[in-house]
Amino acid sequence: ETGVTQSPTHLIKTRGQQVTLRCSSQSGHNTVSWYQQALGQGPQFIFQYYREEENGRGNFPPRFSGLQFPNYSSELNVNALELDDSALYLCASSLRTGRVAGYTFGSGTRLTVV
Amino acid sequence: ILNVEQSPQSLHVQEGDSTNFTCSFPSSNFYALHWYRWETAKSPEALFVMTLNGDEKKKGRISATLNTKEGYSYLYIKGSQPEDSATYLCAFPGSYNQGGKLIFGQGTELSVKP
Repeated sequence: ETGVTQSPTHLIKTRGQQVTLRCSSQSGHNTVSWYQQALGQGPQFIFQYYREEENGRGNFPPRFSGLQFPNYSSELNVNALELDDSALYLCASSLRTGRVAGYTFGSGTRLTVV
Repeated sequence: ILNVEQSPQSLHVQEGDSTNFTCSFPSSNFYALHWYRWETAKSPEALFVMTLNGDEKKKGRISATLNTKEGYSYLYIKGSQPEDSATYLCAFPGSYNQGGKLIFGQGTELSVKP
């Protein structure tokens, strides 16, 4: 059983550019959530996708968008990058949605915006 | 705004010491509490999902208790080992209409010295 895989592991982008981060969910999982972890903070919820539809969104601007594909892998897109977008982006998959669902996390993509 | 607080922020102990730390969360509308263990450069790993007041869960030398009436959970590590060094995160689910949102504390960073 494979875990959650994220790519790339590290990325450096210039302010104003666009970035796409990718996540392959654990086999059998149909739900993917994305989190942003800034330095010194806990992960902050960006959004969740369940069966290719957005199933909840945190307090992030519209320039943060996502997709989930039929194989349940997912992308996080960020447009018009700002310096404050520099963070670790975590993807987590689960078998179902809900407040007691167990989540399997990837090891993250470290994004640096210069 | 839901707030999840963890204390202490960091902890340094000697090998063999037992230790514990706290997660505080809103006591109203409790549904569940998640604990994760996150080693540097790895993925956060699910430890426990706790749902019942008075619940106690155990995994090896790690155990957790839950008090939903007063809004706190304790994580205990008995006889700490260097491999227990990690950041321990607790997370409180958002409301039912927020998808699978987890609200994380900022974590307790544990360092165990041989």
